[in-house]
Amino acid sequence: SQKIEQNSEALNIQEGKTATLTCNYTNYSPAYLQWYRQDPGRGPVFLLLIRENEKEKRKERLKVTFDTTLKQSLFHITASQPADSATYLCALMPSYTGGFKTIFGAGTRLFVKA
Amino acid sequence: SQTIHQWPATLVQPVGSPLSLECTVEGTSNPNLYWYRQAAGRGLQLLFYSVGIGQISSEVPQNLSASRPQDRQFILSSKKLLLSDSGFYLCAWSGRKLLDRTNGYTFGSGTRLTVV
Repeated sequence: SQKIEQNSEALNIQEGKTATLTCNYTNYSPAYLQWYRQDPGRGPVFLLLIRENEKEKRKERLKVTFDTTLKQSLFHITASQPADSATYLCALMPSYTGGFKTIFGAGTRLFVKA
Repeated sequence: SQTIHQWPATLVQPVGSPLSLECTVEGTSNPNLYWYRQAAGRGLQLLFYSVGIGQISSEVPQNLSASRPQDRQFILSSKKLLLSDSGFYLCAWSGRKLLDRTNGYTFGSGTRLTVV
């Protein structure tokens, strides 16, 4: 079956360090991979999208890599701040669905300590 | 700018009661609309999506239904709620074209439904 796996354990890091979150998937042929931020009790907020033919994407302190051979994406937050504390969701848009059925992982909770 | 409104924010309903959650989008035309449900510690589960008025695709067989009476209005309903319907319900929109969807989904603020 199709599956997206994100580390269910929370990630605790010190302010100023780089946070790295992992997203693994199986049995997909994703056209796009997305990352979202979700704060408690709120809807997810779109951060970045990377296409299957792209290796890396950057936006300010965020960096996403996409390895379709390993079926893995890494999400990096450099110079992390306490305000970055949230749950980060990985989402795949399989190419065969025409982009309608974006599938989300359960997310990884990030805590950045001051 | 585009905005999405979802209400109510919280809802406590008895088992067997009906449900109606509403979502409206402003500032865009012909959006794709989605209903997701998020259970604690689980990923978002796609329930329904719609590409136009009256066009609804169901992803999960259950006692929920959706309707799109207007271009920017999406409604999630149930005739009789079950305990298992409890969860965090999220409405979202995206652009109609695949290229537009590369801007990601825009989610509403969610409805926390507790069925008692």
